[in-house]
Amino acid sequence: DAKTTQPNSMESNEEEPVHLPCNHSTISGTDYIHWYRQLPSQGPEYVIHGLTSNVNNRMASLAIAEDRKSSTLILHRATLRDAAVYYCILTGNTDKLIFGTGTRLQVFP
Amino acid sequence: ETGVTQTPRHLVMGMTNKKSLKCEQHLGHNAMYWYKQSAKKPLELMFVYNFKEQTENNSVPSRFSPECPNSSHLFLHLHTLQPEDSALYLCASTISGSYEQYFGPGTRLTVT
Repeated sequence: DAKTTQPNSMESNEEEPVHLPCNHSTISGTDYIHWYRQLPSQGPEYVIHGLTSNVNNRMASLAIAEDRKSSTLILHRATLRDAAVYYCILTGNTDKLIFGTGTRLQVFP
Repeated sequence: ETGVTQTPRHLVMGMTNKKSLKCEQHLGHNAMYWYKQSAKKPLELMFVYNFKEQTENNSVPSRFSPECPNSSHLFLHLHTLQPEDSALYLCASTISGSYEQYFGPGTRLTVT
C-alpha cells in the first residue's frame, strides 16, 4: 500500500482557513486519495476523496497536485468542532483503509 | 449519528471471560469491518465481511472470532483475551465497492 506522510499536529484560529498537507510521493495511477477525521471520543468520519481533479463538498475542499505526489485538505473556516485528527489515506483497487497517525488539528477561539 | 451502532460502549472483562461485541446498521450496506485502535497506535483493520462472507482476516489472533449472520449485523466474540487487547474496537460499514465507510462510536474494552 502506498504510504502517506502528514505533520503530527497543526494549529489554527477559529474562522480562519486551514490547509492540511499530505505527501504521497509513491502514489500509483489507480490510487484514490481519501481524507477521514476522528473527533474526540468518536469513530472516524469520511470527509472527502478524489483521484486527479480538485474536489469540493459541504465539509471541505481537496486540492491535488498536478503530479499527484501531494494533496491538501482545505477547511475554509475552521470552527472549534473541526478539532480532530485528520487522516490522509490512499486506496488502490480495494476498499481497505490503512490509517496512519494523521494530523492532530487544534482550533483556538 | 452515522447510523452504525455498537454495544456495549464500554466493557471490562477478565482474561478468562467470554464476551461479545455487537455492531448494527440499517443503512442497506453490505460490507462491514472491525478495526482496533490501541492507545497511541493507528487504527488497525481486523476483519472485512462482504455480503456476509469474510474476505479479510488481517492476521488476527484466534481469541477474536467474528460473526456476520446477515448484512446488518456483525459480532466480535472475545475469549481468553490479554491485557494488551485493551483498546477501542470500531465497526464500520459501507456499500461494497464504495470508498465512504461509516463508523460506529466504538466499544472501549478493558481487559484486566
